[in-house]
Amino acid sequence: GQQLNQSPQSMFIQEGEDVSMNCTSSSIFNTWLWYKQDPGEGPVLLIALYKAGELTSNGRLTAQFGITRKDSFLNISASIPSDVGIYFCAGLYGGSQGNLIFGKGTKLSVKP
Amino acid sequence: NAGVTQTPKFQVLKTGQSMTLQCAQDMNHEYMSWYRQDPGMGLRLIHYSVGAGITDQGEVPNGYNVSRSTTEDFPLRLLSAAPSQTSVYFCASSPRPGGGTGELFFGEGSRLTVL
Repeated sequence: GQQLNQSPQSMFIQEGEDVSMNCTSSSIFNTWLWYKQDPGEGPVLLIALYKAGELTSNGRLTAQFGITRKDSFLNISASIPSDVGIYFCAGLYGGSQGNLIFGKGTKLSVKP
Repeated sequence: NAGVTQTPKFQVLKTGQSMTLQCAQDMNHEYMSWYRQDPGMGLRLIHYSVGAGITDQGEVPNGYNVSRSTTEDFPLRLLSAAPSQTSVYFCASSPRPGGGTGELFFGEGSRLTVL
């Protein structure tokens, strides 16, 4: 089946640093979403993107839907300790029958 | 606001035992789904439902059964548990038929260990 390649797998950063992660696919996607999972919790939607080239912000988070429709990235500016968690990209494509396909996640650790 | 409620939160089974993971949502969502999360594997779709009486298989359906007799409930059944089914299971729902724009609401997860 379709796969999303998410990188990096993990990141260890200092508080205050900016973070960037991305997701790529070999196929065209119609929708890109970014979720965050806190330890012991279910994923929560951060940002949803529906058009190629779309750039959307949510506080310190910014995500973009790639022009080729085969990639997306998420940036976090001025990281804080509560940014710790696993970030997942997810997407919908023509053959997914409305079911989300998830990347394998980026585990973020922030040193105070 | 309860949202998506999963029970139990933790369960230990012996190989060959059966059990049901419960999922209920109070948002009147048409679409419900079950994912499993394994280290380094992300979230993989087990089964999904686009409405009461309709279910279909996802990416990893073997060893699991589902039913959808009401809009609110979507239980996941393990008929004969195997160690390979040790995982964290998430139920999720969406307001739009077929998952729509993909905005899933997740439960808190059920951690299952099969010995």
